[in-house]
Amino acid sequence: GAVVSQHPSWVICKSGTSVKIECRSLDFQATTMFWYRQFPKQSLMLMATSNEGSKATYEQGVEKDKFLINHASLTLSTLTVTSAHPEDSSFYICSVGGEAGYTFGSGTRLTVV
Amino acid sequence: QKEVEQDPGPLSVPEGAIVSLNCTYSNSAFQYFMWYRQYSRKGPELLMYTYSSGNKEDGRFTAQVDKSSKYISLFIRDSQPSDSATYLCAMSSSRWVRNTPLVFGKGTRLSVIA
Repeated sequence: GAVVSQHPSWVICKSGTSVKIECRSLDFQATTMFWYRQFPKQSLMLMATSNEGSKATYEQGVEKDKFLINHASLTLSTLTVTSAHPEDSSFYICSVGGEAGYTFGSGTRLTVV
Repeated sequence: QKEVEQDPGPLSVPEGAIVSLNCTYSNSAFQYFMWYRQYSRKGPELLMYTYSSGNKEDGRFTAQVDKSSKYISLFIRDSQPSDSATYLCAMSSSRWVRNTPLVFGKGTRLSVIA
């Protein structure tokens, strides 16, 4: 399957600032990447589908202006949490689909203080 | 009714036990079924991938799919403390899995006690 690198693993930021999370597909040209959010003891919730060279598709209830997604190349998608607030604190995970299932990044734990 | 139902547990078993994890689903269009293992504060790791009904075995892990009952299972033989994690089932109806998001169960927390 694909090898996916996600960075940073964890980040603490002040309320009102923006945070960028990177997701790289190291050995696979991914036209599509997925961004998930996971709260403690909860399952993964799909936030958006990132499409290379075009706009991301957001799930209902996800604020497009708050969670900016850029998929400028076949190997890199970024998620920027803008004007972060404590309620945005969560575990964010990206994934890349392959021929035999999905590969996930290691996740980014965001804490907004 | 949610598309995918999975008992969140927690499930606690002694080392060496056979573990049975299950999911039920309501969408008869699902044809691709996956099991993921997720350790705390890590991304999910693909364990098993099956298409349609039947069994698939990989080492100590066996995945079963019963489409007639809309029921999938993951069996872990000779469970080890290192198997302690959350196990998520996931499904898709699309052949083009890479471009279609998965539908996940809530995950079952498993603890294997030495």
